[in-house]
Amino acid sequence: GQNIDQPTEMTATEGAIVQINCTYQTSGFNGLFWYQQHAGEAPTFLSYNVLDGLEEKGRFSSFLSRSKGYSYLLLKELQMKDSASYLCAVTDSNYQLIWGAGTKLIIKP
Amino acid sequence: GAVVSQHPSWVICKSGTSVKIECRSLDFQATTMFWYRQFPKQSLMLMATSNEGSKATYEQGVEKDKFLINHASLTLSTLTVTSAHPEDSSFYICSARTLEAGPQHFGDGTRLSIL
Repeated sequence: GQNIDQPTEMTATEGAIVQINCTYQTSGFNGLFWYQQHAGEAPTFLSYNVLDGLEEKGRFSSFLSRSKGYSYLLLKELQMKDSASYLCAVTDSNYQLIWGAGTKLIIKP
Repeated sequence: GAVVSQHPSWVICKSGTSVKIECRSLDFQATTMFWYRQFPKQSLMLMATSNEGSKATYEQGVEKDKFLINHASLTLSTLTVTSAHPEDSSFYICSARTLEAGPQHFGDGTRLSIL
């Protein structure tokens, strides 16, 4: 079956760095996405990786290793507003988007 | 770019009413639109996928006669919850994409409360 694993919850301190890991097992691969979802709101698109390596976008970076079925989202200089759920999603060979259950990130002052 | 507009944001109505939710891609043409439902503190659940001009593909367990989806143009899809009941109360979110391998861009969601 198709599966995406990410930690359920993580806690970090304001100003620090946090890495949210995602591992996947899917039927084929056509890209990996990270989304941010604040409580009670719809998800917003953060990043897209289709080739191995690191994609940097401001305070957020996303890494992909296709051979390992692994990605991480790195958040630097954490701010209180970064408290949210972070969703990892993979597009499989049929272009179906498979969603992880999300990682709830709690930022403490 | 890639803005998706969803209306209404909130709906409160009586049991037995039908409710229509609109999803529009404002600055791009969406070949595919998706409808999700999310209960409090739970994951997104895909309800159906719709391609412009064709019938929607519903996920297992989703009643197509209850959740009517129309994708009449490349910028508009609608979800109609027919004869809504309290158990249909949820957060409904649409998304749209242009390319098969591209990202989905989400509307702001519709919070539906059936009394």
